[in-house]
Amino acid sequence: EPEVTQTPSHQVTQMGQEVILRCVPISNHLYFYWYRQILGQKVEFLVSFYNNEISEKSEIFDDQFSVERPDGSNFTLKIRSTKLEDSAMYFCASSVGGHTGELFFGEGSRLTVL
Amino acid sequence: RKEVEQDPGPFNVPEGATVAFNCTYSNSASQSFFWYRQDCRKEPKLLMSVYSSGNEDGRFTAQLNRASQYISLLIRDSKLSDSATYLCVTSGTSGTYKYIFGTGTRLKVLA
Repeated sequence: EPEVTQTPSHQVTQMGQEVILRCVPISNHLYFYWYRQILGQKVEFLVSFYNNEISEKSEIFDDQFSVERPDGSNFTLKIRSTKLEDSAMYFCASSVGGHTGELFFGEGSRLTVL
Repeated sequence: RKEVEQDPGPFNVPEGATVAFNCTYSNSASQSFFWYRQDCRKEPKLLMSVYSSGNEDGRFTAQLNRASQYISLLIRDSKLSDSATYLCVTSGTSGTYKYIFGTGTRLKVLA
């Protein structure tokens, strides 16, 4: 069964460091997303991406964040200068088309900022 | 008002019980509705989509009430393995490109 894969599964970093989280969406999917979940809290939307550009971003997705699809398979989330409050589980997700079908999630990348 | 609102629970029920969760959403233009299941520290997984006429999948029944803007999930004959957090999700609002998650309702099925 096709799946969304994410790396790393866990990353520990020092405050102020740059972090790149990587995702490989399902191959025939066209829409890509990043969500985050702080421990014990809700799943929060960060950004959606289609046709090599951002479709929508949330207030959380400020200038410290960026996304890129550097090739035909990877989809990355970069946090330029991490803060303590960036500690969370980051989920990559993809869907076949539009925003009305099933959203498939990767297993997540746990980011711990010290 | 929160975009998608759920009772966080926990709902503690004995095995074999029937349990129901409700969820309300604020945007009447939402087009698509889902229930996702999330196990502790895992990714959300689709449990079922919710259709206007209501739909059933085994022990699970989902209903949508557009007039009142709420969605429900009914679980019959609860199993220990049903213990999880159930997330209500909406999407498809014209001009937006995101799925909106509720906080989730935690279910514990007790032996």
